Amino acid sequence: QSALTQPASVSGSPGQSITISCTGTSSDVGGYNYVSWYQQHPGKAPKLIIYDVNNRPSGISDRFSGSKSGNTASLTISALRAEDEADYYCNSYTSGNTLAIFGGGTKLTVL
Amino acid sequence: QVLLVQSGAEVKEPGASVKVSCKTSGYIFTNYYLHWVRQAPGQGLEWVGRIRPDTGVTYYAQRFQGRVSMTMDTSISTAYMELSRLTSGDTVVYYCARGLYDRYFDFWGQGTLVTVSS
Repeated sequence: QSALTQPASVSGSPGQSITISCTGTSSDVGGYNYVSWYQQHPGKAPKLIIYDVNNRPSGISDRFSGSKSGNTASLTISALRAEDEADYYCNSYTSGNTLAIFGGGTKLTVL
Repeated sequence: QVLLVQSGAEVKEPGASVKVSCKTSGYIFTNYYLHWVRQAPGQGLEWVGRIRPDTGVTYYAQRFQGRVSMTMDTSISTAYMELSRLTSGDTVVYYCARGLYDRYFDFWGQGTLVTVSS
């Protein structure tokens, strides 16, 4: 089962907004509202920032938001800050030969 | 607070097995699933499998079936992942992560680097 499709990299300037897409199939992203997003800084463990498509865990800034349309989920980060520079991964529950599938990851560069 | 603390780095020879532990605290161990995710150097995340601490039922990603075993000791709130017949492709960081069922992973361990080398 192939990974969910994310752009390899995105960039933006401080204060701007960026959106990262995550494309799957009707067996994963399109079939369930169980899409989550993780932020990972170099050498650190991933950190949950969005769950169930558009919910933020306690303590996560409202600059992070999620959405979904059909087989594509999206993560939007508004008012970019230098500390947002990290790798971002989407994940979805799946009815395939694995219960959970990740995207390939997107490297966010804050210019 | 919720903590997941993993065992230390390991170096193994090809063909050997490795067992990584994940000691949890700060929550009721049997109330949440425990997932294992791995990451090769410079690569993305890959889901390996999970165990339900309330029943011991496991589910493994197809490509690891027959080679991975997940167990637990509820008396010490600790989960284990053992991977056998190691190859150089298993040189990765293994993470344990607490899961709300199979929906998402809200707390993660610090990671355990397993290096497979002769």
